[in-house]
Amino acid sequence: DVKVTQSSRYLVKRTGEKVFLECVQDMDHENMFWYRQDPGLGLRLIYFSYDVKMKEKGDIPEGYSVSREKKERFSLILESASTNQTSMYLCASSLRVEYIQPQHFGDGTRLSIL
Amino acid sequence: QKEVEQNSGPLSVPEGAIASLNCTYSDRVSQSFFWYRQYSGKSPELIMSIYSNGDKEDGRFTAQLNKASQYVSLLIRDSQPSDSATYLCAVFTGGGNKLTFGTGTQLKVEL
Repeated sequence: DVKVTQSSRYLVKRTGEKVFLECVQDMDHENMFWYRQDPGLGLRLIYFSYDVKMKEKGDIPEGYSVSREKKERFSLILESASTNQTSMYLCASSLRVEYIQPQHFGDGTRLSIL
Repeated sequence: QKEVEQNSGPLSVPEGAIASLNCTYSDRVSQSFFWYRQYSGKSPELIMSIYSNGDKEDGRFTAQLNKASQYVSLLIRDSQPSDSATYLCAVFTGGGNKLTFGTGTQLKVEL
């Protein structure tokens, strides 16, 4: 079974803080993704990476950055947290860049910015 | 027009009935389609994938794809209370290398 692990289930931070969300997968997947999920808006792609040190912007990259120094680890960084970044953050991975490969999700991090 | 559309529900069905969940998509070149189940407060879990027109069955679940009509559906037979969840439709467009999700349909299976 694919295992995608997110470092925290719940996180509370203050406005202006730099926030790090970590994600690790154990299946040697090439692709990793960060989404946020908000009621009524569904899952929205923030960033994805198809290789170490490679990254691509998703639909809503503003206010976020990412880092992928090792194949198994993909970090999402909120440079200066704001209240509108309060959300559920979901990390996912997939085997290769092919259309038949589904994405597998971690348990999610519910982030609150006060 | 949204790229992937689902009725938000809730869709209520009695226990033992067939639940039918529907999804339409806008990109004609979409190549693969996935159904995820998401329990409240949990992350999405992959339950079905389908790539060619027709039906694909896996246990109580059947995915149906009609590319001409740009329509994909999920049937759940013998619905159980444990099937109560939000079902997300996801469509992969190869040109964009992106999986686009619908906002999900909430299913409630009532005793």
